[in-house]
Amino acid sequence: AQKVTQAQTEISVVEKEDVTLDCVYETRDTTYYLFWYKQPPSGELVFLIRRNSFDEQNEISGRYSWNFQKSTSSFNFTITASQVVDSAVYFCALSAPFSGGYNKLIFGAGTRLAVHP
Amino acid sequence: ETGVTQTPRHLVMGMTNKKSLKCEQHLGHNAMYWYKQSAKKPLELMFVYNFKEQTENNSVPSRFSPECPNSSHLFLHLHTLQPEDSALYLCASSQKSQGNLQETQYFGPGTRLLVL
Repeated sequence: AQKVTQAQTEISVVEKEDVTLDCVYETRDTTYYLFWYKQPPSGELVFLIRRNSFDEQNEISGRYSWNFQKSTSSFNFTITASQVVDSAVYFCALSAPFSGGYNKLIFGAGTRLAVHP
Repeated sequence: ETGVTQTPRHLVMGMTNKKSLKCEQHLGHNAMYWYKQSAKKPLELMFVYNFKEQTENNSVPSRFSPECPNSSHLFLHLHTLQPEDSALYLCASSQKSQGNLQETQYFGPGTRLLVL
């Protein structure tokens, strides 16, 4: 069965600190996709990144970077020089085959990040 | 309007009321989803629609009744709900291709529902 674990329930940092959000997944599929979403207090889930299981290159987008390691089934997310606007709940998700030819997003429990000035 | 919109943003209802949640996507996608996010559980998929056809009902109680009149609109009709149904209900859409796992789901802002 597929599963996503985000062991960190809450993280609190001071502005400009670097912070890493952990994500560990379980799947028996050889082809799958991993996602990160951000949920600010407004409630909307904002798509951040998608990574397929065949591409283990790390990715950087501004202050955001992602480290995908298949050997440890992890897809960690680092925010460099955090800012107050980064305060949100961050979800890691796994896409896997589902009925009817659809994929299903399996979400972790989320990590609440609080960045203090 | 762009992206995925949902109305109302907040809803308070009694257990005997009937109400509907509305979702509209402006992305030209062909698949739409309802998710439930409650304090005690991770995000849960409730329903999936493709071109107006329901393809998945994830063991959701019958007091939740979805409707998809076209590929841009999705409704969730609510009746005789229970207090434990209080949650954030999120709508999402994606462009579904055959056998394609890489489709990204884009979410609306959600409707925060409180059942008294």
